[in-house]
Amino acid sequence: DVKVTQSSRYLVKRTGEKVFLECVQDMDHENMFWYRQDPGLGLRLIYFSYDVKMKEKGDIPEGYSVSREKKERFSLILESASTNQTSMYLCASSLVGEKLFFGSGTQLSVL
Amino acid sequence: AQTVTQSQPEMSVQEAETVTLSCTYDTSESDYYLFWYKQPPSRQMILVIRQEAYKQQNATENRFSVNFQKAAKSFSLKISDSQLGDAAMYFCAYRSGFRIQGAQKLVFGQGTRLTINP
Repeated sequence: DVKVTQSSRYLVKRTGEKVFLECVQDMDHENMFWYRQDPGLGLRLIYFSYDVKMKEKGDIPEGYSVSREKKERFSLILESASTNQTSMYLCASSLVGEKLFFGSGTQLSVL
Repeated sequence: AQTVTQSQPEMSVQEAETVTLSCTYDTSESDYYLFWYKQPPSRQMILVIRQEAYKQQNATENRFSVNFQKAAKSFSLKISDSQLGDAAMYFCAYRSGFRIQGAQKLVFGQGTRLTINP
């Protein structure tokens, strides 16, 4: 079975901190995604990557950056965390044209 | 840009009854895929069912079936014989059929929280 692992299930950070959310997949998938989930808004795409060192902005990239130095790892970076970035963050991966596999999510609280 | 709309924030159903969750979408593409995902309290997203737009036949997976109306851009999920384990958030999602890198993302609806009453 494909495994997508997010490093933290819950995270509490202070305003202005630099935050790293890590995601690792074990099935050699080309595509990796970061989504943000908020009540009433569903899942919104922040960034995605289709190859090492390749990235594309999603629908809400402001305030975020990403890094993909190795194929299996896709990191989401909040350069200076703000309270409006309190949310659930979901990572996913897939082969081209195939279904997405999701991690279990990181609930981030920014105080 | 494609959009997906779920107009029912919450639904409830009696155990063993049937419930239908609604989803509409907007696209100018002719080749695409539609999905229903389930997210239980564990937060793990689980693929429930998938429909290819070029297939006229509605997809079914055991107690789960869809009503795909391509002209109306409607994609509803029917759950028959509802069970307590069906309680979850349900998300409708769209993906382009183009096999190019930028088209591989899923576009999600707002979600419907389904409660099963014993």
